Amino acid sequence: AQSVTQLDSHVSVSEGTPVLLRCNYSSSYSPSLFWYVQHPNKGLQLLLKYTSAATLVKGINGFEAEFKKSETSFHLTKPSAHMSDAAEYFCVVSPNNNDMRFGAGTRLTVKP
Amino acid sequence: NAGVTQTPKFRVLKTGQSMTLLCAQDMNHEYMYWYRQDPGMGLRLIHYSVGEGTTAKGEVPDGYNVSRLKKQNFLLGLESAAPSQTSVYFCATAKVGGSLNQPQHFGDGTRLSIL
Repeated sequence: AQSVTQLDSHVSVSEGTPVLLRCNYSSSYSPSLFWYVQHPNKGLQLLLKYTSAATLVKGINGFEAEFKKSETSFHLTKPSAHMSDAAEYFCVVSPNNNDMRFGAGTRLTVKP
Repeated sequence: NAGVTQTPKFRVLKTGQSMTLLCAQDMNHEYMYWYRQDPGMGLRLIHYSVGEGTTAKGEVPDGYNVSRLKKQNFLLGLESAAPSQTSVYFCATAKVGGSLNQPQHFGDGTRLSIL
């Protein structure tokens, strides 16, 4: 069985400071992992995906995530937060296209 | 190129009423999905389809039915709406991924309230 735990329901940072959104997963397979972002009243947009190639994955808008198998983690980071990064972020684990398990989400607040 | 379009965007129903949510895509994707999003629970898969004429149950299928008569459309039906079905519903599509999982493309959601 596969599942995702997002360790923080809410993260607050100041503009220009680093962002860290934590995600741990469990999977019986070698999973694919994704991070999606959701802005208010919008659908989800793909930030980045890991599919067993390089363990450090670069995504859009300066975000990146590192797959650590030994820690079963896939944390999302960004060196410097922008006001426009304020949104809800979802970590997703998937062994195949028919079974994607979403985390509960982390709401990111960026203070001026 | 509209991507994934959901109609309607908002709807209020009374308990026991029926309705159909429409998802239309212009990306020629094989896979289509319906999710519901509830506070603090992420997205949960209701039903999905791997191609025209085929559908399958997801994690929370009870109280819903779906149809995929045309490749570009995926309909979600509520036969007798219940307050527990108040939620935001998202449609998503994906290409056939082969050995690599393809990301899903999402619509903007339908906000449904059942009174």
